[in-house]
Amino acid sequence: GQQLNQSPQSMFIQEGEDVSMNCTSSSIFNTWLWYKQEPGEGPVLLIALYKAGELTSNGRLTAQFGITRKDSFLNISASIPSDVGIYFCAGRPHYGGSQGNLIFGKGTKLSVKP
Amino acid sequence: EAQVTQNPRYLITVTGKKLTVTCSQNMNHEYMSWYRQDPGLGLRQIYYSMNVEVTDKGDVPEGYKVSRKEKRNFPLILESPSPNQTSLYFCASRPGQVPYYTFGSGTRLTVV
Repeated sequence: GQQLNQSPQSMFIQEGEDVSMNCTSSSIFNTWLWYKQEPGEGPVLLIALYKAGELTSNGRLTAQFGITRKDSFLNISASIPSDVGIYFCAGRPHYGGSQGNLIFGKGTKLSVKP
Repeated sequence: EAQVTQNPRYLITVTGKKLTVTCSQNMNHEYMSWYRQDPGLGLRQIYYSMNVEVTDKGDVPEGYKVSRKEKRNFPLILESPSPNQTSLYFCASRPGQVPYYTFGSGTRLTVV
């Protein structure tokens, strides 16, 4: 099946630092989504992107839909301890995907040292 | 409060003993889906449903069954659980016109 390559797998950063993570695919995607999962909970949507080149912010989070439609980036500025969690990219492929499915990356585990 | 509710949150069972994980949503969403989450593998779709009585396989359907007799409920059935089905399971739902799912809090299943 289609895959999303998400990197890095994990990050250990100091509070106050900026964070960048990305997701790439060999296929074109129509929609890119970024979710955050905290321990013991389900993923929660952070940002949804619908057009190539789109740049969207949600507080300290900024995500971009790549121009090639094959990648997306998430940046977190001035990290704080509550940013800890696993961040997943997800998307709807242009070709070959079913209406009901989202393809997920394997996640980036973020740890923040106070 | 708009939400997806799964039960139970934790379940330990023995190989071969049939079990059902329930899922209910109160948002009148058309789509519902089951995912499993395993370390290093991310989230993989098991089954999804586009509406009542309409279901289809996801990426890893083997060993699972689902039904959608009512719009709000989408139970996941393991007829004969095996240890390789030990995982964290998530139910999710979304409206037809919106591409992103809202997830439940998860069910951690251990099959011994």
